[in-house]
Amino acid sequence: GAVVSQHPSWVICKSGTSVKIECRSLDFQATTMFWYRQFPKQSLMLMATSNEGSKATYEQGVEKDKFLINHASLTLSTLTVTSAHPEDSSFYICSAQSSGRVYEQYFGPGTRLTVT
Amino acid sequence: DAKTTQPPSMDCAEGRAANLPCNHSTISGNEYVYWYRQIHSQGPQYIIHGLKNNETNEMASLIITEDRKSSTLILPHATLRDTAVYYCIVELTGGGNKLTFGTGTQLKVEL
Repeated sequence: GAVVSQHPSWVICKSGTSVKIECRSLDFQATTMFWYRQFPKQSLMLMATSNEGSKATYEQGVEKDKFLINHASLTLSTLTVTSAHPEDSSFYICSAQSSGRVYEQYFGPGTRLTVT
Repeated sequence: DAKTTQPPSMDCAEGRAANLPCNHSTISGNEYVYWYRQIHSQGPQYIIHGLKNNETNEMASLIITEDRKSSTLILPHATLRDTAVYYCIVELTGGGNKLTFGTGTQLKVEL
């Protein structure tokens, strides 16, 4: 099956710094990628949708200047958490959708971000 | 607001069938029923989807009622590795369609 990777799998950073998370589709081209956030014991919350070569579409309440998303190629999307604060500590998960199998999203393993 | 209602938790004995219900009474004619699961601290995994006919694949079966207002995911022979949160999602299909996750059902498979 299709594989999506995320890097890093976990990261600890200090308050005020920025963190970049990469999401890669390893064996298919992802026309659309999604970024989710999940707090402990809660469900996944969609943050934004990104299409290759265009600006991301953010969900209501998600600050686009704080969560920068770049989808520069059909296999790579990045999420940068700028000026991170402890409340940004969460599990960040990306997913990718192939143009050939639009009914199925392939999820990455997630990135655990802890801001101290 | 979530378009689906699921029981918060269920238990199942290993080797037995796990039947996970989902209510989606406001589903529209062109919306599909998707099932994903999330094992603890991992990304979700696609299981199955359907529009109105029953579907079966190597992982599970999906039974959708004739009025499409509810469905049941069946894991025919549950194993300990099937312990996870199962999400029933109703969405349009096609390129770029986002998934709205509800609270899901925590399935616990026990010996």
